[in-house]
Amino acid sequence: EIVLTQSPATLSLSPGERATLSCRASQSVSSYLAWYQQKPGQAPRLLIYDASNRATGIPARFSGSGSGTDFTLTISSLEPEDFAVYYCQQRSNWPPIRFTFGPGTKVDIK
Amino acid sequence: EVQLVESGGGLVQPGGSLRLSCAASGFTFSSYSMNWVRQAPGKGLEWVSYISSSSSTIYYADSVKGRFTISRDNAKNSLYLQMNSLRAEDTAVYYCARAYGDIDYWGQGTLVTVSS
Repeated sequence: EIVLTQSPATLSLSPGERATLSCRASQSVSSYLAWYQQKPGQAPRLLIYDASNRATGIPARFSGSGSGTDFTLTISSLEPEDFAVYYCQQRSNWPPIRFTFGPGTKVDIK
Repeated sequence: EVQLVESGGGLVQPGGSLRLSCAASGFTFSSYSMNWVRQAPGKGLEWVSYISSSSSTIYYADSVKGRFTISRDNAKNSLYLQMNSLRAEDTAVYYCARAYGDIDYWGQGTLVTVSS
């Protein structure tokens, strides 16, 4: 079973600053890694799929990189609406199909 | 516009049963695999179950295997989760989620509370 670890648990930053979030897998997941944003009381929203592809409608300030076991989500300049919890997720691309989520990184206002 | 609307949540006693439904619209439901994902209060996301577009392939998380049953009705654009032998640790918001590779759309969720 693949385990995802996210760091840091909390990131305290100011609007306009750059945010760098890390996700590490216990074994290689190739590029099958996604990132989601979740705000309080809302469902998660897909930001990045296949490690580096922005989902439809996602602003260019969000970018993803990495492959294998180490991945990064970067928010180039934080907007007020970006303060939220971010989860990474890997999917198995062969049976049995399952999705595994990381524990999340909370980005809060400094 | 893709819409997923869950219903059927509520308060149930330990050992009880509940059936969740998800009404889909805005896309060709029969072409997509679907999932249930849950989130316990104040906790992270946990994948629960997967069903392929034709219902030919189904998978469950170990934590619910043997107790939960996922199904779908493509004629009604609906996804279901039958939950039996419910436990306190099943308390969570349950999300219906579409998958095209990764999970790309989520419903707003329905809260299931298991308590006496």
